Amino acid sequence: KQEVTQIPAALSVPEGENLVLNCSFTDSAIYNLQWFRQDPGKGLTSLLLIQSSQREQTSGRLNASLDKSSGRSTLYIAASQPGDSATYLCAVSNAGGTSYGKLTFGQGTILTVHP
Amino acid sequence: EAGVAQSPRYKIIEKRQSVAFWCNPISGHATLYWYQQILGQGPKLLIQFQNNGVVDDSQLPKDRFSAERLKGVDSTLKIQPAKLEDSAVYLCASRRPGQGAVGELFFGEGSRLTVL
Repeated sequence: KQEVTQIPAALSVPEGENLVLNCSFTDSAIYNLQWFRQDPGKGLTSLLLIQSSQREQTSGRLNASLDKSSGRSTLYIAASQPGDSATYLCAVSNAGGTSYGKLTFGQGTILTVHP
Repeated sequence: EAGVAQSPRYKIIEKRQSVAFWCNPISGHATLYWYQQILGQGPKLLIQFQNNGVVDDSQLPKDRFSAERLKGVDSTLKIQPAKLEDSAVYLCASRRPGQGAVGELFFGEGSRLTVL
């Protein structure tokens, strides 16, 4: 059974800092890994999607890496801003068997960027 | 393109009452998912549809939850009777056709249920 863990559970940083959010998963048989952002009371917004054959994806100030063999992904946020404050969730799409394509989520990291 | 639409956004009911949530996925998206997100946790898959067929409902509490997608477009999730532990946000998501398991997932804003 796939399990996804995110560390830290919460993070508070001053504006301008670079930061790293961590995600680990127990079963390396995945199709892809997706990072989402969730604002309070809102749905999930997709940030980055990394296919299993890729090592990283970049979008603006965001960079996500994937090490499938070790079951780890990191989301790097450069020059953080107060508007980055949200919950960040990672999710893996399972490959094969009865879990084909099933997305398993971590519990999220609550990020607060203060001015 | 328009996003995934969900309604109602908020619903408050008493335990043992029933409730229904509606989802309209992005046009042309064949795969539709319902997720349950309890406060402080990541979303948990309840049911996955491919067109109007169920692909995975292994985590759906079938004694009280039901879902349908009759014409392969809109979907309805029903809870009857509701329990206190059903208080959560119910998220609907969809994927483009032909993407299989490798496509990006698009989520709606969610329906927040409070059971008193």
